[in-house]
Amino acid sequence: ETGVTQTPRHLVMGMTNKKSLKCEQHLGHNAMYWYKQSAKKPLELMFVYNFKEQTENNSVPSRFSPECPNSSHLFLHLHTLQPEDSALYLCASSQGHRAAIGETQYFGPGTRLLVL
Amino acid sequence: SQQGEEDPQALSIQEGENATMNCSYKTSINNLQWYRQNSGRGLVHLILIRSNEREKHSGRLRVTLDTSKKSSSLLITASRAADTASYFCATADNYGQNFVFGPGTRLSVLP
Repeated sequence: ETGVTQTPRHLVMGMTNKKSLKCEQHLGHNAMYWYKQSAKKPLELMFVYNFKEQTENNSVPSRFSPECPNSSHLFLHLHTLQPEDSALYLCASSQGHRAAIGETQYFGPGTRLLVL
Repeated sequence: SQQGEEDPQALSIQEGENATMNCSYKTSINNLQWYRQNSGRGLVHLILIRSNEREKHSGRLRVTLDTSKKSSSLLITASRAADTASYFCATADNYGQNFVFGPGTRLSVLP
């Protein structure tokens, strides 16, 4: 276990549903990330929060809405998704938001999302 | 883009053999990390190499970095079936806050 948990592990939803993904880290880190991993594509960074403040939004459609109530919890609210949004959604955390100094990211097991 | 590109996309070897995966990138980097992902799971950090380092070891892992060629390699010696996974390189430049991950190499180690 990496100290990062995600729930649910699997989710099937219709295009009109609203659901939320949850991530929790027990590592005392200050930065948390959402990534999307689609088949045969590189990991796509979606959002970054550092000290509860959103610092990155990589042109993610508004049907994805992140929320970070504290440094340990991160949510991804989903609304009116499309079938092409089906993917593995990974949460990660790191001590800070500084890849340039070689910080390690710790990943959760992911939520496998299927949009019908 | 400084995206890393792993090569090969897929590799199949017998248990006990060595596995070598390569990562190429486009712009100058500060550091490069390798991660492993077991099927349908999260990524796990394996090793970090900085731009002023040429080689690092960790157990059965050996990573090299050639900044002149903008490439890195990951060698897994005496592979085991449990090494079956996808392996990703992630690069960060001197100013970047984020890592950029490559598409990965899928390694299959056959018993």
